[in-house]
Amino acid sequence: QVHLVESGGGVVQPGRSLRLSCAASGFPFNRYAMHWVRQAPGKGLEWVTSISFDGSVQSYADSVKGRFTVSRDDSGNTLSLQMNSLRPEDTAVYYCARLGGYCSSTSCYKDEYWGQGTLVTVSS
Amino acid sequence: QSALTQPASVSRSLGQTITISCTGSSSDVGRYNFVSWYQQHPGKAPKVVIYEVTLRPSGVSSRFAGFKSVNTAYLTISGLQAEDEADYYCRSYTTNNTHVFGTGTKVTVV
Repeated sequence: QVHLVESGGGVVQPGRSLRLSCAASGFPFNRYAMHWVRQAPGKGLEWVTSISFDGSVQSYADSVKGRFTVSRDDSGNTLSLQMNSLRPEDTAVYYCARLGGYCSSTSCYKDEYWGQGTLVTVSS
Repeated sequence: QSALTQPASVSRSLGQTITISCTGSSSDVGRYNFVSWYQQHPGKAPKVVIYEVTLRPSGVSSRFAGFKSVNTAYLTISGLQAEDEADYYCRSYTTNNTHVFGTGTKVTVV
């Protein structure tokens, strides 16, 4: 049974940093690309970033490029998101997700799983 | 990386059929058959109802169907039921190994 559990959310001042984690279980973590998706309060879903199954390729939305860094620890089955220079518009629920229904240049992914999300609030 | 365009809201009566559009470009919806549709109830994580344009995950009602024409994908919900009232989002894989979501559609069952 696949489980994705996010942690690390909270209230942070603008310009500061925060690190989110996602503990994965129930599947071979090192065989899947992983993603972060966020949703601002009352707003729509926004894809934030992904990391390939082997960690060699990271992709980012323009809105976070240069400020956020995604990484993975396959020995601990953990996905991380380092968020620097946070802005009020980064306030959102951040979901860890194993997205499916697509093929990258190296792999195809069918099934899809999401965590329950962790809330990040950027406010002074 | 502009969001895919969806109607903000749609309302229909119980039992009717509803179709939601998701318009992108030749870099995303038009280029790949990797469009997924999500149903999201308030306070819950999104749930996939359609993937790869037309496929339904196991456990999803056959009342949900998807198709695509050029740069626009569509989600059809037939025999609308009260529990279908939710927000719906599309997502497409895009060039440069990125993904983009739609703006979201609020479905109201009257």
